[in-house]
Order: sequence, then C-alpha cells, then structure tokens
Amino acid sequence: EVQLVESGGGVVRPGGSLRLSCAASGFTFDDYGMSWVRQAPGKGLEWVSGINWNGGSTGYADSVKGRFTISRDNAKNSLYLQMNSLRAEDTALYHCARGRRVMEMVDAFDIWGQGTMVTVSS
Amino acid sequence: DIQMTQSPSSLSASVGDRVTITCQASQDISNYLNWYQQKPGKAPKLLIYDASNLETGVPSRFSGSGSGTDFTFTISSLQPEDIATYYCQQYDNLPPRSAFGGGTKVEIK
Repeated sequence: EVQLVESGGGVVRPGGSLRLSCAASGFTFDDYGMSWVRQAPGKGLEWVSGINWNGGSTGYADSVKGRFTISRDNAKNSLYLQMNSLRAEDTALYHCARGRRVMEMVDAFDIWGQGTMVTVSS
Repeated sequence: DIQMTQSPSSLSASVGDRVTITCQASQDISNYLNWYQQKPGKAPKLLIYDASNLETGVPSRFSGSGSGTDFTFTISSLQPEDIATYYCQQYDNLPPRSAFGGGTKVEIK
C-alpha cells in the first residue's frame, strides 16, 4: 500500500524549533518530488516547501523562506522539514505529499499523509 | 507571487444539480492547475490534474477546463458524497512554487 506517515509535531514556544518527518512506503521514494503542505485550523491549504527527487533542488513559500529547511534521505525513504524561529502563524496541520509525476519537484499531489499537528504557543 | 482567486467560497445545491466552481490566476499559468476534494478530518484528494485530466478512479461527473488565467471545475450531477471543500492549486517548477485557492465549501440544499 502506498503510504505517507508524518511525525514530529507538538507544542512549541514562539522562537522555538521542531523537526517533522514523513515516512514513505509502497513506492519507489527516490523517483518522486515531495512537498509539505499545511492547513491552519479552520483555514485553507498552503504549500510550504518542495524538494526534487534527489534533494538537489528545493523551493519555499515566502512565508517560511529562511526559517524552514526541507530535506530527504532516500536510503531511509524519509522526508523532513526543519522548522526554526517558529511563530504563532505557523500553527497548522502539516501534511507531506507526493508529486504525481516522476522527477517533478512541484506537481499535482496524488498521495497525502494524514498530517502532524504543530502548535506554536507561549 | 501568483495569487489564486476561487469562487464562490461556499454554495448550496440540490442532489442532481450541476455545480460550477471557478479559479482565476493573477497571471498566465498555462494549464498548471489542479483540483482537490477535502472532506472534514481527511487529507485532500486529487481529482483533476493539469486543468482537465481526470485522476484515475475519480468519477466522471467531475471535470475541469480552462487555461491561462481562468479555470472551471464542474460536478455534472451533485451526489450526497460530494459534500466537501474543493480547492484549486497552481504549480510551477521554474522557479518552484505552488499556491492554493481559498476553497469552496459545497453543501446540499
């Protein structure tokens, strides 16, 4: 079964850091670009960051540029999001998602994880 | 950055009705436009990719059209299981970026 499972969410104080992980299974992970998409409580979807198949190219939303870093470990079939200098507005459910086409970094997202919740609060 | 304006933000229709949602991009995005369905407490589900292509396994009552800046998503005959919020998404790789529309909540009248 093709599956993405996120972990690492929690409650953190403003200015703090958190590292999210996404474990992939059921497909050839290093064929696909991956992204993180978040959804604040009761709000819409926001693309956060994307990475190509080998980690050589990345992209970020302006709202997180310079604070978040996306990475991947193809040997471990895992995607990561290092989040620093967290703000209250970063509070959201963070999903990892697979790009539909092999090799594309940002694409239609055909596989989604259920998400991990990040709450930034003092 | 490219802005995606989706309308309406909500709608109410009867079972069997034709439902149309529009998405407008702030600049030409060719056909790099996708549509998703999200039910409460669930992850989004891809319905349409590249403006008009039906994802495998998605019922044919869902369709999409458009190119450039103006796009349309249609449910030809609304079913009770279609109650959800629908989002459009633009994407690009040069530079890498993506943006979602604000969403349309579809309810049964």
